[in-house]
Amino acid sequence: EAGVAQSPRYKIIEKRQSVAFWCNPISGHATLYWYQQILGQGPKLLIQFQNNGVVDDSQLPKDRFSAERLKGVDSTLKIQPAKLEDSAVYLCASRPGTGSSGNTIYFGEGSWLTVV
Amino acid sequence: AQSVSQHNHHVILSEAASLELGCNYSYGGTVNLFWYVQYPGQHLQLLLKYFSGDPLVKGIKGFEAEFIKSKFSFNLRKPSVQWSDTAEYFCAVISSRAAGNKLTFGGGTRVLVKP
Repeated sequence: EAGVAQSPRYKIIEKRQSVAFWCNPISGHATLYWYQQILGQGPKLLIQFQNNGVVDDSQLPKDRFSAERLKGVDSTLKIQPAKLEDSAVYLCASRPGTGSSGNTIYFGEGSWLTVV
Repeated sequence: AQSVSQHNHHVILSEAASLELGCNYSYGGTVNLFWYVQYPGQHLQLLLKYFSGDPLVKGIKGFEAEFIKSKFSFNLRKPSVQWSDTAEYFCAVISSRAAGNKLTFGGGTRVLVKP
């Protein structure tokens, strides 16, 4: 089965510019996550969707970050304006949500952002 | 606050040595436990998981982990490491008490295996 797809893989932008990352989860997975992984740290949850609704966005810096999953399938994460401290890998993940393995979460390869 | 703690930030060892990485969590309720590995420049991959049943879980590449409920621990082990095990290892937890089945990660442990 195809995995979680993310693009772009790499992006370098200047501070105060904007950037958008796209994610297509595994087919049929209702739950989609965006994580931020800063170098040397564990991934931190930014936002979690169940279908097209937001379940948890408590750690999303809403003054500059936004995310949507309009049709309950693919999702976009936007940063505007970017700051130096936003340099990180942005991981998208998805979960089936049903059955005995419903809680296994599958990760994409990540979108590596460098803000200069 | 609910958290996942990994005791060592960095581990350096020689090939054929045994590896044990500690993981403790502070969640109550029913937990699902995971170990993920991230090889240099690659994405997170699932090593093993515990949902229920036998607390000794075997994963890929010769790794295993033991869930000790009384100690809130889920330590990862490998009897004999190889150079290719050089990677960063993350423990992660889903708690039935966390809204939306949120997956929370520990800070990671970087493992360097010297040839």
